[in-house]
Amino acid sequence: VQLVESGGGLVQPGGSLRLSCTASGFTFSSYWMHWVRQVPGKGLVWVSHISPDGNYVDYADSVKGRFTIARDNARNTLYLQMNSLRGEDTAVYYCVRVWHGFDIWGQGTLVTVSS
Amino acid sequence: EVVLTQSPGTLSLSPGERATLSCWASQTVSNNYLSWFQQKPGQAPRLLIYGAYSRATGIPDRFSGSGSGTDFTLTITSLEPEDFAVYYCHQYGSAPFTFGPGTKVDIK
Repeated sequence: VQLVESGGGLVQPGGSLRLSCTASGFTFSSYWMHWVRQVPGKGLVWVSHISPDGNYVDYADSVKGRFTIARDNARNTLYLQMNSLRGEDTAVYYCVRVWHGFDIWGQGTLVTVSS
Repeated sequence: EVVLTQSPGTLSLSPGERATLSCWASQTVSNNYLSWFQQKPGQAPRLLIYGAYSRATGIPDRFSGSGSGTDFTLTITSLEPEDFAVYYCHQYGSAPFTFGPGTKVDIK
C-alpha cells in the first residue's frame, strides 16, 4: 500500500502547479482521498478532499477558488491543481487515504512559492 | 470549525517513563472521530490511534487513546527511544478537518 506524490517545485507568486499522487497496493476507487500540507517545521493543515467517485469535493477556505482537486480512478491517481499561488502556499503537500482515519500518507512533495 | 488545543507543548521525559498527552476540542468531535499521529523529522505523519481509542495496524500496545466529546488523551505507557517525536491530534468528524498544534516529546 503506497502513495507517491510528484509535481512539486519552485514557482513564482501568481503561478500554477499541478501535483499528482499515484496510488498502489489498494483499490484506489473505493477511498476518499485528501490533501494535507505542512510548512516545514510547522503544523499540519487540511487542504481538500474528494469522494471515491469524484463527485463530491471540498476545500479549506484558504485555497477555495484557487485549488482544484480531481482524481482519475482508471490511472489510480489523485491531482491537485494549484493556481494563483501565494507565498503562504509554500509547504510540503501530502496526499492521504482515508479509511479508519487518515491512515496512509505519501512521502510529500515540496512546493515553494517565491520570486 | 473545530479548534484543537494540545497540552503540554513540550514534554521532557526519560526512556521507560509514562507520557500523557492531552487534546481539547472547541466543540464536540462528531462520532468521536479523533485520531493521533506521530511525526519524526523529515517523515510523513504516522497514524497511531483512530476513533479516539482504536490502535492503527502495527501500532504497539504501549500506545493507547481515550476520551470522548471534547477531551481526549494519548498515553504511552513506557517510552522507547523511537517514541521521541512530535504528536498531533486530529479531528475528522466534520469539515474543515483540523489538527492540533502538536506536543513534542523529547529526551530529558
